Amino acid sequence: TQLLEQSPQFLSIQEGENLTVYCNSSSVFSSLQWYRQEPGEGPVLLVTVVTGGEVKKLKRLTFQFGDARKDSSLHITAAQPGDTGLYLCAGAPLDAGGTSYGKLTFGQGTILTVHP
Amino acid sequence: DAGITQSPRHKVTETGTPVTLRCHQTENHRYMYWYRQDPGHGLRLIHYSYGVKDTDKGEVSDGYSVSRSKTEDFLLTLESATSSQTSVYFCAISESASYEQYFGPGTRLTVT
Repeated sequence: TQLLEQSPQFLSIQEGENLTVYCNSSSVFSSLQWYRQEPGEGPVLLVTVVTGGEVKKLKRLTFQFGDARKDSSLHITAAQPGDTGLYLCAGAPLDAGGTSYGKLTFGQGTILTVHP
Repeated sequence: DAGITQSPRHKVTETGTPVTLRCHQTENHRYMYWYRQDPGHGLRLIHYSYGVKDTDKGEVSDGYSVSRSKTEDFLLTLESATSSQTSVYFCAISESASYEQYFGPGTRLTVT
């Protein structure tokens, strides 16, 4: 069973601060996704990283996939109250033989609160 | 937004009763998934489908069954609801096994 450990579980910061959320595993993943979820709604896909060492930017959000494809990080610059939500990472297994059927392993999530 | 609806959105039921949750998609995607979300556990896969009448178990399938008789509908049944099945249930769809999944709005189920 592949596990993804996300840290921290809770993050409470002031508007304008920077923050980093980590997603770590002892397993190698073929790709890793980050989702954001608001209360009462389903998760929404933010980004998919596929290549070891890959960095993707989405406005103030920077996503990085580790060189060994076992870990990932999400960095938010100058956080805003609108960034408040639950952030989830999800890993896709190495698809030997094409039998994984798109199943993802999710981390426990990071609840981010940005205070005005 | 992907066309995914879940029904009901909220349900309260008693221990021992059967419950069926419905996921409906208008995207004609092949893959469909049922997850449950509990505090501290992220999303855990219950069952998934890779085509009409093709389903398989996920990591927390005990006490749940599924059916998919049409591409657009994926049903999750709790055969005899227990309090440990109180949770928020999410359906997700994916066009291929490319792992980009799109989620429905969720069903909050309370078993008393």
